[in-house]
Amino acid sequence: DSGVTQTPKHLITATGQRVTLRCSPRSGDLSVYWYQQSLDQGLQFLIQYYNGEERAKGNILERFSAQQFPDLHSELNLSSLELGDSALYFCASSGGQQETQYFGPGTRLLVL
Amino acid sequence: QKEVEQDPGPLSVPEGAIVSLNCTYSNSAFQYFMWYRQYSRKGPELLMYTYSSGNKEDGRFTAQVDKSSKYISLFIRDSQPSDSATYLCAMKRGGSYIPTFGRGTSLIVHP
Repeated sequence: DSGVTQTPKHLITATGQRVTLRCSPRSGDLSVYWYQQSLDQGLQFLIQYYNGEERAKGNILERFSAQQFPDLHSELNLSSLELGDSALYFCASSGGQQETQYFGPGTRLLVL
Repeated sequence: QKEVEQDPGPLSVPEGAIVSLNCTYSNSAFQYFMWYRQYSRKGPELLMYTYSSGNKEDGRFTAQVDKSSKYISLFIRDSQPSDSATYLCAMKRGGSYIPTFGRGTSLIVHP
């Protein structure tokens, strides 16, 4: 158990809908990262938050947004969903720059 | 050319074999090197984390970094069926929070 929790585990929704994925980092970790993993793209970095502020952006679509709250949990919002958004979404957390990331169990999103 | 290259496999070995998993990279600024294990439908789990060149051993696992060749390896001794998983290499620059991941190598250890 990495100490990172994610909810829900599974999500099935329809095209055009909006969903919210939630992540709680390990105790004491200030950084939260979101990744998308699909069979053809591998693990793709989406966005990082550090202590409530956006720190780095990767390949995140404009339809996606995220935020980190004062209690350090984070939410990833996916809107106007398309079939191609079906993937595993992972949250990871870390402490300082020299520390590595610990991943949560993921949310499996299926867009029908 | 991708920054990190990793053969997707699958790599199939008999139980008890020594397994060698490898990644090559192109960015000489990478200083931190990691190996993650990912079981099917689970999150990646950190196995090894090394800084710069050299070897690091943890039980049956040995991580090796050769910065001059831009090549990293993970060796698994006495492989077990429970080692069957996808192994992801990752690396990052000093001063960066964000690692670059390889695509992962699928390992199958059969009894």
